[in-house]
Amino acid sequence: GAGVSQSPSNKVTEKGKDVELRCDPISGHTALYWYRQSLGQGLEFLIYFQGNSAPDKSGLPSDRFSAERTGGSVSTLTIQRTQQEDSAVYLCASSLNGGRVGNTIYFGEGSWLTVV
Amino acid sequence: QKEVEQNSGPLSVPEGAIASLNCTYSDRGSQSFFWYRQYSGKSPELIMSIYSNGDKEDGRFTAQLNKASQYVSLLIRDSQPSDSATYLCAVRDDKIIFGKGTRLHILP
Repeated sequence: GAGVSQSPSNKVTEKGKDVELRCDPISGHTALYWYRQSLGQGLEFLIYFQGNSAPDKSGLPSDRFSAERTGGSVSTLTIQRTQQEDSAVYLCASSLNGGRVGNTIYFGEGSWLTVV
Repeated sequence: QKEVEQNSGPLSVPEGAIASLNCTYSDRGSQSFFWYRQYSGKSPELIMSIYSNGDKEDGRFTAQLNKASQYVSLLIRDSQPSDSATYLCAVRDDKIIFGKGTRLHILP
């Protein structure tokens, strides 16, 4: 597609329920990132996928959070047993490939999660 | 823990003046640096990228990088009210780490 696509754009869920957030990266991009941004706060790194390498999960805040990337393209971020503090916008981004130089990342419009 | 530091602001600048945004980073091995602009309720959008020491200009925007001082800045000339936003500094190793952003307010 033309840009990074995320769904749902908005999700309201009850505390304790599981949620799945989906990200379709830009076609051909091998690197995919998930970030979380709480209201008025900066971007918190969650997880990074690069090609077939093992993902960098160092930013996942607890074992309730997991993510997978199937076929090197679409990614799903799953939050189990949601808590109110999970309420945030979850931003997905992709870049042509990983590595230290270049490779600008482009963001989707985000999935706004509200846990009530 | 690799860190990217920015003054949270708000930074208030009169319309037409130069806005100067600053960022420091902790990892001396970092090689790629980015400035993103984020309007309220929107996702970040890329303004500038810079990889080499010195200045890089694009229209009203100039990014400046000093690797020895681990410092990157963004200058916005002829500031416009539409420049009012949060500006995020980002540094890349393998993953990209963002600062918390500086809120910029251009005074009409």
